[in-house]
Amino acid sequence: KNEVEQSPQNLTAQEGEFITINCSYSVGISALHWLQQHPGGGIVSLFMLSSGKKKHGRLIATINIQEKHSSLHITASHPRDSAVYICAVRETSGSRLTFGEGTQLTVNP
Amino acid sequence: DTAVSQTPKYLVTQMGNDKSIKCEQNLGHDTMYWYKQDSKKFLKIMFSYNNKELIINETVPNRFSPKSPDKAHLNLHINSLELGDSAVYFCASSLGPRGYIQYFGAGTRLSVL
Repeated sequence: KNEVEQSPQNLTAQEGEFITINCSYSVGISALHWLQQHPGGGIVSLFMLSSGKKKHGRLIATINIQEKHSSLHITASHPRDSAVYICAVRETSGSRLTFGEGTQLTVNP
Repeated sequence: DTAVSQTPKYLVTQMGNDKSIKCEQNLGHDTMYWYKQDSKKFLKIMFSYNNKELIINETVPNRFSPKSPDKAHLNLHINSLELGDSAVYFCASSLGPRGYIQYFGAGTRLSVL
């Protein structure tokens, strides 16, 4: 079992839908990262958070430290949001990131 | 200017060969990383350097050897390439080793035939 579990593995939505991707982890963490991997392969950091909620444009990331759970929300989804979204955690004890397996999101027009 | 640049973008080679992948960052960051992404798209840390000093060395074969000539460069040399080394290798950098966003290179797709 991975220390970082994401759900769903695959998600297909219609343009305009509200999307939620979930991340659960089993270790103590100092920070959680959300990353986006484009179809072309490039990886972009979206958020780094250790508590509460962050918003950037149509993207919102929340974290509940007690429940060891984070969600990434996309409002008014668009086909250009189609990508793999990856959750990663930095354990309290170390400096390395541990990654989830990613969620493949496809937004159809 | 590309912040984190890796070369080459594609690398096709025969089993048993030795190859290197280069990474350079112009962000003034202290920390650099090498990740391997397998065919299932799962990312795993391989190495990390902070100020030219190795701080993360995951369980990877000895055939993989990182080298950091200065803070802005982290190269990955692979000896005696095997089929299982085929993957996409990503370089990344961050301001420091903890608590900072990581910036990724575009990846190097290595195919071992």
